[in-house]
Amino acid sequence: EPEVTQTPSHQVTQMGQEVILRCVPISNHLYFYWYRQILGQKVEFLVSFYNNEISEKSEIFDDQFSVERPDGSNFTLKIRSTKLEDSAMYFCASSGAGGGGTGELFFGEGSRLTVL
Amino acid sequence: GQQLNQSPQSMFIQEGEDVSMNCTSSSIFNTWLWYKQEPGEGPVLLIALYKAGELTSNGRLTAQFGITRKDSFLNISASIPSDVGIYFCAGPSSNTGKLIFGQGTTLQVKP
Repeated sequence: EPEVTQTPSHQVTQMGQEVILRCVPISNHLYFYWYRQILGQKVEFLVSFYNNEISEKSEIFDDQFSVERPDGSNFTLKIRSTKLEDSAMYFCASSGAGGGGTGELFFGEGSRLTVL
Repeated sequence: GQQLNQSPQSMFIQEGEDVSMNCTSSSIFNTWLWYKQEPGEGPVLLIALYKAGELTSNGRLTAQFGITRKDSFLNISASIPSDVGIYFCAGPSSNTGKLIFGQGTTLQVKP
C-alpha cells in the first residue's frame, strides 16, 4: 500500500540552528501538507501546497518556516532558526485528486524535532 | 475560530465492551472525519462523513454526522486490544486541506 515517508524520524538540534524535514508523498498525489503536534496536544495545520505554491498557511507558519518541492518526489519543511517552542512532532500529509476539500489526507509517521 | 470539542478525554475499558465518543463544534462543518493515531504514528483516516444525518460503518466502527452538522459520534463495537490509540475528529475549514482537529479521545483497552 502506498504511504507517505518522512525523514528523519527524530532530530535533535540547538536553538537557532536550521532544520530541514523531508517527506516523500504518495506518488500520484497532488496536494501536500505539513501539520505539527506538540507533545500531548492536538494536531495543528501549518501549510498546504499545490501546483508548486502555498495554498494556505496558518499563523504558526511565520517567516522562519518555508516549504519546497525541489524535485518530483520530495517535499521539505525548513525552519530557519529554531526556537524551543518548535519542539514537536511534524507530520507530512498528501491527498489525491479530490484535493484538500474532502479532508481525506494520508499522513506520514512524523519527524520528532527536539530543540535544546 | 473554529473548534472541535471531543468527549470523553480518555476511556479505559475492558476488551469486548462497546465504546462511544462524541465530537461537537460551535460552527457547521460540511465534512466530518474520524482519524486514529497509534503511539509513534501519524493519524490514519477511519471514516469520512459527507452528508448531514449520514451513518457510515467501517468494520466494527460506526460514525454518524449530526443533522445540525455541528456534531458527530463514533462507536466501536466489541473492542479489542489493538483499538488502543487516540481518536481524533476533524473537519476541513477550507478547501485547501486545512483540517481542524479535536483534542482527541484516548482509548485504552484492558485484555
